[in-house]
Amino acid sequence: DAKTTQPNSMESNEEEPVHLPCNHSTISGTDYIHWYRQLPSQGPEYVIHGLTSNVNNRMASLAIAEDRKSSTLILHRATLRDAAVYYCIPLTSGTYKYIFGTGTRLKVLA
Amino acid sequence: GAVVSQHPSRVICKSGTSVKIECRSLDFQATTMFWYRQFPKQSLMLMATSNEGSKATYEQGVEKDKFLINHASLTLSTLTVTSAHPEDSSFYICSARDRRGGPPDTQYFGPGTRLTVL
Repeated sequence: DAKTTQPNSMESNEEEPVHLPCNHSTISGTDYIHWYRQLPSQGPEYVIHGLTSNVNNRMASLAIAEDRKSSTLILHRATLRDAAVYYCIPLTSGTYKYIFGTGTRLKVLA
Repeated sequence: GAVVSQHPSRVICKSGTSVKIECRSLDFQATTMFWYRQFPKQSLMLMATSNEGSKATYEQGVEKDKFLINHASLTLSTLTVTSAHPEDSSFYICSARDRRGGPPDTQYFGPGTRLTVL
């Protein structure tokens, strides 16, 4: 299983963009990169996923490095509701198992 | 779409009793469901993987006789914590993988069940 490294915590001002990095240098060529977030006392919520090229959806953008050893989740305008723990999870093809790392706790300042 | 529910959301029980937690996929059929446990200020830890109609696969260190998992249909999996003790108090979360499968094998998570054992 690919290991991940994320900052323990980050802060952002409300309505400013946030870039959440993730290092997954041991990822293999067919592993998708998933991002989830977890609000206090709730189950994780799907944010976005990608394989090679950058991806956008209504929640966020995912920028994947050309060598796929790292990725960055981009929240274009942080709101107070975006305060959560963000997890990046490389999914080993065929196993279906998510291995959660420690994630990044995002604090959004009003 | 892709909604997963859990019941109950919160349960308090006495030491030595058994507690059953249900996980349902509401708008899709789940080939595989997963059970996680999360202690305060820690990350989610995968406990077991359950496939419909077959025995669950437990992660190393998880007692299969203590945490009984049944995946009786494509939309329901249950976790029973048997003879619960205070150290079993935790936040239990299930997830489900859509039956249609294929990459990227996205999982959808339930809202979690807070178990407190007195």
